[in-house]
Amino acid sequence: ETGVTQTPRHLVMGMTNKKSLKCEQHLGHNAMYWYKQSAKKPLELMFVYNFKEQTENNSVPSRFSPECPNSSHLFLHLHTLQPEDSALYLCASSQPTRQGATDTQYFGPGTRLTVL
Amino acid sequence: AQSVAQPEDQVNVAEGNPLTVKCTYSVSGNPYLFWYVQYPNRGLQFLLKYITGDNLVKGSYGFEAEFNKSQTSFHLKKPSALVSDSALYFCAVRVLTGGGNKLTFGTGTQLKVEL
Repeated sequence: ETGVTQTPRHLVMGMTNKKSLKCEQHLGHNAMYWYKQSAKKPLELMFVYNFKEQTENNSVPSRFSPECPNSSHLFLHLHTLQPEDSALYLCASSQPTRQGATDTQYFGPGTRLTVL
Repeated sequence: AQSVAQPEDQVNVAEGNPLTVKCTYSVSGNPYLFWYVQYPNRGLQFLLKYITGDNLVKGSYGFEAEFNKSQTSFHLKKPSALVSDSALYFCAVRVLTGGGNKLTFGTGTQLKVEL
């Protein structure tokens, strides 16, 4: 186990539903990330939080809304999704270093989302 | 812009044989390179990274990778493959910039180790 947990592991939702994905890290890290993983495509970075502040939004549609109440928890609120949003959503965390680019990200097991 | 290429969608190796999973990168500064492995229904697990220093980096589970600046490559290697190494492998690169947290991943290479 990497110390990053995600719930639920599987989620099926209709296009009009509202649901939330939860991520929790037990590593004492101060940076958290949401990624989208689709088949045959590179991982897509969605959002980055450093010390609870959002520092990156990678042009993600507004139907995805992140929330980071503290350094250990990260949520992804979903509403009016489209079938093409079906994917594996991965959460990761890292401990920011002064050099920034060298810190290692640790990933959770992901939430498999299916939008009908 | 930074990018990573993993030219092989799948690599097949017999157990006991050496394995290589290829990765090339393109960056406009000094690269920081990572390898991750993903087993079915699991998240990505960190294997190893190159920051600076020795070009040969050793990581988890007997894996190693060689940084080659002239060829802009960071191939993953293991001297003797195991069936349990079968998984999806991702190479990633990051450059120290103002947005230093952004990792760019390749599309992944499926490694299949057969008896």
